[in-house]
This record gives sequence, C-alpha cells and structure tokens, in this order.
Amino acid sequence: DAGVIQSPRHEVTEMGQEVTLRCKPISGHDYLFWYRQTMMRGLELLIYFNNNVPIDDSGMPEDRFSAKMPNASFSTLKIQPSEPRDSAVYFCASSLSSREAFFGQGTRLTVV
Amino acid sequence: GESVGLHLPTLSVQEGDNSIINCAYSNSASDYFIWYKQESGKGPQFIIDIRSNMDKRQGQRVTVLLNKTVKHLSLQIAATQPGDSAVYFCAENLADSSYKLIFGSGTRLLVRP
Repeated sequence: DAGVIQSPRHEVTEMGQEVTLRCKPISGHDYLFWYRQTMMRGLELLIYFNNNVPIDDSGMPEDRFSAKMPNASFSTLKIQPSEPRDSAVYFCASSLSSREAFFGQGTRLTVV
Repeated sequence: GESVGLHLPTLSVQEGDNSIINCAYSNSASDYFIWYKQESGKGPQFIIDIRSNMDKRQGQRVTVLLNKTVKHLSLQIAATQPGDSAVYFCAENLADSSYKLIFGSGTRLLVRP
C-alpha cells in the first residue's frame, strides 16, 4: 500500500480564494483524521471521520472550514474564503479501528 | 524541507550516545500514548505506543516509560544515529472510546556526528 496520499503537496493561493485539500486514506482503514500544524499551535486535530461519517469536528476553527468524506477512499478539506492565518501544513491520517494513526506527507498551504 | 519552523526545545546528542526525550501529558483520563517521529518534509511516523496499564515498553532501540503519578512520558533511544535526527511528539488518547490523539508540542533531536 502506498500509504496515505495527500494532494497537492504545496498550495499557494491569494486571500479570499477557495482552497481544497485532498486525501486518500490507506485502503481498508475506517478512521480518517485531518490535522493542522503551525508554529504557534503545533499539531491540532480539526475533524475526524469513522466509516465516512464525521464524528467530531470541534477542532474546525470556523465556518470557513468544511470537510467531507463522500466514500471510504477519499476526503476533502475546504477553506472558503482563505485567509493568511490559515497558512499551515495540513495532514491527513487514517487508522484501522485503532489509535495508531498513519499520516500522509502533508499539504503546505500558503495564503498570501 | 517542510519543517514548520517550530520553536521547539532541542536535545543535542553525540552519535552513539543514548537520548532521552521527555513529555508531560495533560489529562489523567488518558489511557493510551504514542510517540511519533517527524522528519523534515514528512508527516509524523509511529515509533512506539504504551497503554496506561503498563509502565514500560521496549521496541527496537527505543523504550517508552510511563509515570502516571506525575503524568510523564519519556522516550529513550539507544545508540542514537544521525537518522534519528527529527522532531519527536508524544500523543495521548482519552479512554472515552474516541480515537482523538492530542499531541504535545514536540522536541527536536539533533545528532552530532
């Protein structure tokens, strides 16, 4: 298995634009997590899904952020409109009914 | 690389020496702990885990110690190698049937040749 796959690896966008980050979890995993990593706040859990259903989105910073998981092999994290303070590395992780999460390589988002 | 440039505590060790990285966790209700390693430009990678009914667990060249009394976790790396240079995070999980991992702020390990 290729592991958790995220795209794009890098994204530079202008303030106000919509940004969509994509994630393909490891096949067969039933949990999917979205994390954000910044200098100030470290690694923060934004939202997680179990069997494609959002379980806890309490970490989503505000209404500009939304996440979907239309099927077991794909998830998106969308920011609309984006702001400079959203600049961070966003990680997707998946796990198989366990607490050991496998992380993707991350997407570095820069909002200018 | 894609280091996020965190202003982290740094541990510098000589190649071949043992390293000890410490972590204080926040919630006494946490019952599962993981150490992750993050190299520049990569996502966190699982190293070793431990459940709260244990106080020590050993892997290959790594040992995790758990002291629940003071809510402290440590990662010991034996015979540290240049490839061990990375940021190390501890993460805790509450015993509430969720799979939310709460990460610590991390420690940067630098291995001197």
